[in-house]
Amino acid sequence: DAGITQSPRHKVTETGTPVTLRCHQTENHRYMYWYRQDPGHGLRLIHYSYGVKDTDKGEVSDGYSVSRSKTEDFLLTLESATSSQTSVYFCAISEPGRWYSYEQYFGPGTRLTVT
Amino acid sequence: DAKTTQPPSMDCAEGRAANLPCNHSTISGNEYVYWYRQIHSQGPQYIIHGLKNNETNEMASLIITEDRKSSTLILPHATLRDTAVYYCIGVVSGNTPLVFGKGTRLSVIA
Repeated sequence: DAGITQSPRHKVTETGTPVTLRCHQTENHRYMYWYRQDPGHGLRLIHYSYGVKDTDKGEVSDGYSVSRSKTEDFLLTLESATSSQTSVYFCAISEPGRWYSYEQYFGPGTRLTVT
Repeated sequence: DAKTTQPPSMDCAEGRAANLPCNHSTISGNEYVYWYRQIHSQGPQYIIHGLKNNETNEMASLIITEDRKSSTLILPHATLRDTAVYYCIGVVSGNTPLVFGKGTRLSVIA
């Protein structure tokens, strides 16, 4: 299994509070991703990073920000959590090869509940 | 990226081959077909991918039709642990991220 950890694994927070989720990898992969998963919507990309300090928006980036100051860490921040951000969040990593492989390896997920 | 269409659910008897279809009629010539699965409460898992030729690895086989408008993922001897949601994704090589649809929920039955 790819060395990907997410913390915390579970979190309950109140509306309006800031929340930061952490993804840590030991694979030295260049690409990192944050997804959210909700019933009826499947997996949706929030933000991704293609290198240290290089990030871009995904499909559902509103209300989220990210930072990547080191290769191994990718942080997802909810500046002011809302109930609509209650979800399971997955981090993924990949290392595009010569043919732009999209083999992504996913972490175990963080279950976030905003009350 | 091509839109893919998969049946919402399928059943398969344990020990039999599971054949999961995917239609991608708008696929372009340089677009790969990727398959992932997600077992309940876990992160998605990469299975296999292909462009034109059939592919096989330790997990599955991927059969792509000659016109590339559809493909089939084959799990040769399905076990209960293969019960999962299976995603077929079309990807153009480059910098565009994967987009997961709703997939096929495969239930392997004892």
